[in-house]
Amino acid sequence: EAAVTQSPRSKVAVTGGKVTLSCHQTNNHDYMYWYRQDTGHGLRLIHYSYVADSTEKGDIPDGYKASRPSQENFSLILELASLSQTAVYFCASSERQGALAEQFFGPGTRLTVL
Amino acid sequence: GQQVQQSPSSLVLQEGENAELQCNFSSTATQLQWFYQSPGGSLVSLLSNPSGTKHTGRLTSTTVTKERRSSLHISSSQTTDSGTYLCAIEESSGSWQLIFGSGTQLTVMP
Repeated sequence: EAAVTQSPRSKVAVTGGKVTLSCHQTNNHDYMYWYRQDTGHGLRLIHYSYVADSTEKGDIPDGYKASRPSQENFSLILELASLSQTAVYFCASSERQGALAEQFFGPGTRLTVL
Repeated sequence: GQQVQQSPSSLVLQEGENAELQCNFSSTATQLQWFYQSPGGSLVSLLSNPSGTKHTGRLTSTTVTKERRSSLHISSSQTTDSGTYLCAIEESSGSWQLIFGSGTQLTVMP
């Protein structure tokens, strides 16, 4: 069954430390996305990618880098984690771009920065 | 930029009652999607409805594009419907990105 998995599912990081969140999809989708969700709010797009070895900025890219080494894998990197980056992070994939394409979401990673 | 407002922010029902969730957006949208987020946090797409009325199971969505609003009607609610319902739109400006509302938290009591 097609799926989007994320690791780790939760993480506690120290301010200034480096954090890498990983996403793996078996949907054979070209498009992958990273969103963050703050408590009581909707999702906001951080980075996305439509092909391996290429990433694009979303609405809130500052403080985040992304890496797409293969079609299946998409990572989100926080080089210098800050308190304000405490949130739940969701990865998603879609067959094509835009809201016309259904996005399939991973289970989320709860990141706490202390 | 585009803003998406959902109401009510929370709703408590008895099992069997119907629910009506609202989504209003500030500028023209080319696409609108409703998502369900479980109490555990997982997200699933419920349906896409940029205009008109669409049904799936006990869900009915009606979008009036000119009035920049959409509704999601849940009939005969069940305890398993409890969770957060998110509305997301794609702007007509050509940016394909989804803009999410803050959601309606639905609790269905047995």
